[in-house]
Amino acid sequence: DVKVTQSSRYLVKRTGEKVFLECVQDMDHENMFWYRQDPGLGLRLIYFSYDVKMKEKGDIPEGYSVSREKKERFSLILESASTNQTSMYLCASSPRALMRRTHEQYFGPGTRLTVT
Amino acid sequence: AQSVTQLGSHVSVSEGALVLLRCNYSSSVPPYLFWYVQYPNQGLQLLLKYTSAATLVKGINDFEAEFKKSETSFHLTKPSAHMSDAAEYFCAVRKAAGNKLTFGGGTRVLVKP
Repeated sequence: DVKVTQSSRYLVKRTGEKVFLECVQDMDHENMFWYRQDPGLGLRLIYFSYDVKMKEKGDIPEGYSVSREKKERFSLILESASTNQTSMYLCASSPRALMRRTHEQYFGPGTRLTVT
Repeated sequence: AQSVTQLGSHVSVSEGALVLLRCNYSSSVPPYLFWYVQYPNQGLQLLLKYTSAATLVKGINDFEAEFKKSETSFHLTKPSAHMSDAAEYFCAVRKAAGNKLTFGGGTRVLVKP
């Protein structure tokens, strides 16, 4: 079974702190994703990585950065946390998409971040 | 640009009744379509996916969905709701050659005894 793990289930941080969210997958997937989930808005893509050291902005990258130094690990960084970044953060991974095959994304359990 | 609309942010059904969750998409190219389920305090789990083969797709836990190109819809159904179906459901779309998913806003299902 594919396993995607996230470093924390719950996290409470203060405004202005630097926050690191870690995600690890054990299936040698090329793609990794960070989403935030807010009620009524579904999941919105923050950043996407398609290979080590490669990244692409998603729909809402402002206030976030990412790091992918190893294939299995993808980190989301909040340089200076703000209250509007209080949310559920979900990490996902998938194999690289191929025209004649489709692969779903596999999700971790999520990190509920509260910024006070 | 792709978009996904899920009609109804909350749906309440009685145990044993039909579950119908609506999803409409917009895409400039034929997409791949997915339904995911999220149980409380968990990540998302794939229910089923449409990948341009049969238009009626069967998934886990007796869920199924039908792709209707003319209506740009991919509605999810289950003939008989069970208490364990209480969860949030997300419809998502992806371009055939793409890697990224676009999600709908989600529908939370409440099952009444």
